[in-house]
Amino acid sequence: ILNVEQSPQSLHVQEGDSTNFTCSFPSSNFYALHWYRWETAKSPEALFVMTLNGDEKKKGRISATLNTKEGYSYLYIKGSQPEDSATYLCASRRMDSSYKLIFGSGTRLLVRP
Amino acid sequence: GAVVSQHPSWVICKSGTSVKIECRSLDFQATTMFWYRQFPKQSLMLMATSNEGSKATYEQGVEKDKFLINHASLTLSTLTVTSAHPEDSSFYICSARRRQSNQPQHFGDGTRLSIL
Repeated sequence: ILNVEQSPQSLHVQEGDSTNFTCSFPSSNFYALHWYRWETAKSPEALFVMTLNGDEKKKGRISATLNTKEGYSYLYIKGSQPEDSATYLCASRRMDSSYKLIFGSGTRLLVRP
Repeated sequence: GAVVSQHPSWVICKSGTSVKIECRSLDFQATTMFWYRQFPKQSLMLMATSNEGSKATYEQGVEKDKFLINHASLTLSTLTVTSAHPEDSSFYICSARRRQSNQPQHFGDGTRLSIL
């Protein structure tokens, strides 16, 4: 994989449902994987920066895992709430990249009350 | 903490006008700032990396004479779209990073640019 890819593109769930999305990234020369949450009319908000294979991070009801060998990360939201509705972006940083991030197209989540 | 202010939020102007967008880190010193462009339903595409006190590094395919970047201080970077044309209409967003290596980037709110 040369690009950062996210799936699904969009997701509609009911309040209370748990959900997860995938980010695939180049595993060669991997340095870090970033997750951001982007609500409409606001700036992207950093959720996690992950670097180590097997890393698992948690922030409230949101958690993320990282597999650097196969080049994927999962973002999980437990018990989705309407305020979780946003676009979730992942971005990969490579070792040779001078802090540059390559972004996926995002997963747009809509949580229905 | 880690607030980035981007101004203006939106611009509508005539073809041929030059437009300046400002990006400020309000409560931290940003050694590096980044400028992205986003087309509808696409990902954030990095245009250039701006380091304080030195020339910006542009990504392949981005015209440096068209998109002038100045990073005169540790808290301010500007992007000027020179002689803008309708094809330059897009969403432009900046981000800034602190000195520490594994910190996330902190984003502004973005600028919606419409060229008539």
